[in-house]
Amino acid sequence: DTGVSQDPRHKITKRGQNVTFRCDPISEHNRLYWYRQTLGQGPEFLTYFQNEAQLEKSRLLSDRFSAERPKGSFSTLEIQRTEQGDSAMYLCASSSGGVEQFFGPGTRLTVL
Amino acid sequence: GENVEQHPSTLSVQEGDSAVIKCTYSDSASNYFPWYKQELGKGPQLIIDIRSNVGEKKDQRIAVTLNKTAKHFSLHITETQPEDSAVYFCAASRNNNNDMRFGAGTRLTVKP
Repeated sequence: DTGVSQDPRHKITKRGQNVTFRCDPISEHNRLYWYRQTLGQGPEFLTYFQNEAQLEKSRLLSDRFSAERPKGSFSTLEIQRTEQGDSAMYLCASSSGGVEQFFGPGTRLTVL
Repeated sequence: GENVEQHPSTLSVQEGDSAVIKCTYSDSASNYFPWYKQELGKGPQLIIDIRSNVGEKKDQRIAVTLNKTAKHFSLHITETQPEDSAVYFCAASRNNNNDMRFGAGTRLTVKP
């Protein structure tokens, strides 16, 4: 499968714990995006990388959230001190520099 | 910033009928308008897109129209099939695509 992959697909954690998600983009896609999607809503932009550089962050990305793309390939999204309001689907997308974005299956986070 | 509104939130049609979903956007600088289909437990899948220099685009049973003056665009699905049942999202972004804004989604149900 050469599409965008995300791991894990589901994560259940207790409030206050840290969690980390991984995204592997389509090979050679230089742009990578993270989105959050809550039930009944469309995806909301969180942050964007071009190669290894994080070029834009939404104000939705509080200081408990950090994203990295150290080698310009896969990316990680970490949430520290999780809160119940962090429960959502976290989606990753990639593009080759054009405008089309291709999404992964998402990681569903449940914070108890 | 961009604000995208999508209507209706739910749509039920009989198999073989047409379905139309409408979106409006606020940022006149937006020039890329994709449509995504999201099935349960999966990430959004790009099904068709349109750029601002085109008024209409068609791909088999799916078509999208764009009215830049009125800042609205629509998805048309003809000869609907049960497998078209899903949540559909419209989105809008500027050419640099760093911050794509999504509508809230339309849940389409095609009854056999």
